[in-house]
Amino acid sequence: SQTIHQWPATLVQPVGSPLSLECTVEGTSNPNLYWYRQAAGRGLQLLFYSVGIGQISSEVPQNLSASRPQDRQFILSSKKLLLSDSGFYLCAWSRGGTGKYEQYFGPGTRLTVT
Amino acid sequence: GNSVTQMEGPVTLSEEAFLTINCTYTATGYPSLFWYVQYPGEGLQLLLKATKADDKGSNKGFEATYRKETTSFHLEKGSVQVSDSAVYFCALRGAQAGTALIFGKGTTLSVSS
Repeated sequence: SQTIHQWPATLVQPVGSPLSLECTVEGTSNPNLYWYRQAAGRGLQLLFYSVGIGQISSEVPQNLSASRPQDRQFILSSKKLLLSDSGFYLCAWSRGGTGKYEQYFGPGTRLTVT
Repeated sequence: GNSVTQMEGPVTLSEEAFLTINCTYTATGYPSLFWYVQYPGEGLQLLLKATKADDKGSNKGFEATYRKETTSFHLEKGSVQVSDSAVYFCALRGAQAGTALIFGKGTTLSVSS
């Protein structure tokens, strides 16, 4: 069976500090990978998605970036955090290809920027 | 473009009441439709799905029918429990490769005993 991991589970960082959140998927190959952010009391905002190693599509211009160094690894980064970066970050995967597949979500990372 | 609209919450019900959470969508072609549930402090879990018109998705007593004529995918449950308290998200996905899900804003359900 497939599993998706995210870490850390919670993070408190000062403004201006760097960020690295990691997501890994097990039990599948060539997945599509996604990063979402959920701000308090709001819906989900798609940040990045990837259909393969080194292939990243950005949905929202911001001070965040994403990388996919390995097939089942997806990293969300920032060089300098802003207060507005606080939120709940969710990684998700779906089967690759052109099918209308559902997405499966990780447990999330709660980021608080102080 | 594609979009999802779901009813504003919060929805507050007593245990064993009937639940309906409305969801309508705008999309080209024939998207797949999903309901996700998020319990406090957790990620999203897929609750049910439907991939073509007139399909009915069901799970854990929840049901939703893909209505092409009304572009709707309303979530229903005949008798809610306290443990159903959570945030519910309606979502759609088109057929293009790599297309991410498009989510509604979520509806908070609170069930009291």
